[in-house]
Amino acid sequence: AQSVTQLGSHVSVSEGALVLLRCNYSSSVPPYLFWYVQYPNQGLQLLLKYTTGATLVKGINGFEAEFKKSETSFHLTKPSAHMSDAAEYFCAVSDRNSGYALNFGKGTSLLVTP
Amino acid sequence: GAVVSQHPSRVICKSGTSVKIECRSLDFQATTMFWYRQFPKQSLMLMATSNEGSKATYEQGVEKDKFLINHASLTLSTLTVTSAHPEDSSFYICSARDFSRVGNEQFFGPGTRLTVL
Repeated sequence: AQSVTQLGSHVSVSEGALVLLRCNYSSSVPPYLFWYVQYPNQGLQLLLKYTTGATLVKGINGFEAEFKKSETSFHLTKPSAHMSDAAEYFCAVSDRNSGYALNFGKGTSLLVTP
Repeated sequence: GAVVSQHPSRVICKSGTSVKIECRSLDFQATTMFWYRQFPKQSLMLMATSNEGSKATYEQGVEKDKFLINHASLTLSTLTVTSAHPEDSSFYICSARDFSRVGNEQFFGPGTRLTVL
């Protein structure tokens, strides 16, 4: 069975500082990995995804993530935080065994301080 | 492209009534749609997988007679919460899978906030 662990339910960074949100996964078959962002009372917006190929994935709004198979990780980073980045972030995994349904981590709430 | 809509966005109902939520893929065909439930400050939990023209597959612990899912066309899936009770109050989010895209990417609707009084 697949699962996702997001370390840190709350992360606080200063505006302009590096953002690092951690995600580790488990999957018995090659996974598809995703990062989504959710603003209050809204649906999910895809930031980036890894399917196959290049392990460093660039997404929207300056975010990127690197798939590290040896570490079973898919951490999300952004060099310089903006106030508008404050939101809830979810890491998710899917694979063919799950019918490609998404299995979400518990989420990380990002707070950006001035 | 790849837009998914949900209707209604917000609904308040009395205990014991039934509520229908629609999920539509506006510009692509979705043979598979997923229904998720999200409690406040929590993650999304998969409720069921809806396949066009066949019965939905429910996750363990989800009552299929309570949450009726119909996926009658390639662009529409509905979730009906029958005899709703206050504990059914939640944020319900659907997603539609676009098979034409690499990685079978899912696109999410904006969600429906259900409040049962």
